[in-house]
Amino acid sequence: DTGVSQNPRHKITKRGQNVTFRCDPISEHNRLYWYRQTLGQGPEFLTYFQNEAQLEKSRLLSDRFSAERPKGSFSTLEIQRTEQGDSAMYLCASSAGQGADEQYFGPGTRLTVT
Amino acid sequence: DAKTTQPPSMDCAEGRAANLPCNHSTISGNEYVYWYRQIHSQGPQYIIHGLKNNETNEMASLIITEDRKSSTLILPHATLRDTAVYYCIGANTGKLIFGQGTTLQVKP
Repeated sequence: DTGVSQNPRHKITKRGQNVTFRCDPISEHNRLYWYRQTLGQGPEFLTYFQNEAQLEKSRLLSDRFSAERPKGSFSTLEIQRTEQGDSAMYLCASSAGQGADEQYFGPGTRLTVT
Repeated sequence: DAKTTQPPSMDCAEGRAANLPCNHSTISGNEYVYWYRQIHSQGPQYIIHGLKNNETNEMASLIITEDRKSSTLILPHATLRDTAVYYCIGANTGKLIFGQGTTLQVKP
């Protein structure tokens, strides 16, 4: 039983470039979440999906951010025109979407915008 | 989602029980108390959750007061590998709202 995987693990990009991250959830998990974490802070919720439907988006998710989960399995998070303030760890989590719904997190993608 | 209050840091001797407190006085009746931890440079790890009753699993025990305004996470025999930031979160299903958590340092 594999856990949540994220790719790439590290990404360095120049300001203004677009980046895309991928998350593969635990098999059969209906819900998929994206969070962002900056140094010294707890993770901040960005958005989540129930199957392929995006059910909630945080106000943190500006127009430059877009997330998809086209077939209800893996998800991608794209950041357009990156800014230095986008530098953070981007975390993905999945859950069964039932009962207490505990979330299982991936290792994260560390983004550095230079 | 319920706002929680935790001490910023705690120390514990290796082999002893670590008792991490959390206040969640605004928790509503249908919100669970979740505990996660985050070891440096890793994603958060689910530990345990509860609604009203005390809970125990292979990692920890969770004691919730009768009025549900506070809880305590107990690691019965702390090891150096338990050094991490521990987050207490009150939530229903859906998004988790993380606070600053408690940094637990287990010392030899």
